[in-house]
Amino acid sequence: AQSVTQPDIHITVSEGASLELRCNYSYGATPYLFWYVQSPGQGLQLLLKYFSGDTLVQGIKGFEAEFKRSQSSFNLRKPSVHWSDAAEYFCAVGAGGYQKVTFGTGTKLQVIP
Amino acid sequence: EAQVTQNPRYLITVTGKKLTVTCSQNMNHEYMSWYRQDPGLGLRQIYYSMNVEVTDKGDVPEGYKVSRKEKRNFPLILESPSPNQTSLYFCASSSEGNYGYTFGSGTRLTVV
Repeated sequence: AQSVTQPDIHITVSEGASLELRCNYSYGATPYLFWYVQSPGQGLQLLLKYFSGDTLVQGIKGFEAEFKRSQSSFNLRKPSVHWSDAAEYFCAVGAGGYQKVTFGTGTKLQVIP
Repeated sequence: EAQVTQNPRYLITVTGKKLTVTCSQNMNHEYMSWYRQDPGLGLRQIYYSMNVEVTDKGDVPEGYKVSRKEKRNFPLILESPSPNQTSLYFCASSSEGNYGYTFGSGTRLTVV
């Protein structure tokens, strides 16, 4: 069965600092991987996705993620965090991308001035 | 505007009283899915549908039913709600080849 681990429940960074959110997955074949963001009281928005090709993927809002098969990881990065990035971030893995999609438990990002 | 619409946004009900949460998408998407979100547990998939009349169980289907009679609609049915179904529910949809879901705004359900 597929699974996702987000080891950090809560992360605090200063505005302007760099950010890396960790995600490890378990899946038997080539995974479809996603990062979503959820602002307070909102639904989830897709930040970026990977299913083949270049292992460094660019997303919206200046985010990027790197797929590392050897480490079963798909970490999310941003070089300079803005206060508006404060939200909860979810990593997800899917078989085929939209069928059985399993989410991690989320990482809540706090941005301090 | 392309969107997934869920209704109602908030619902308080009593144990055992059947309810339906509606979900509709205007993007002609083939794939639709229901999730519940609980603190510390992230999102867990309840059911998903690959097209009209094609549905399958997710990770936590017990106590829920779905139907997909039309492409745009994917209602979630709780025939006999219990307090452990108190949660935030999300409907999502996606199109063939465009991996990644578009989510609705959520339905906060409280069962007392």
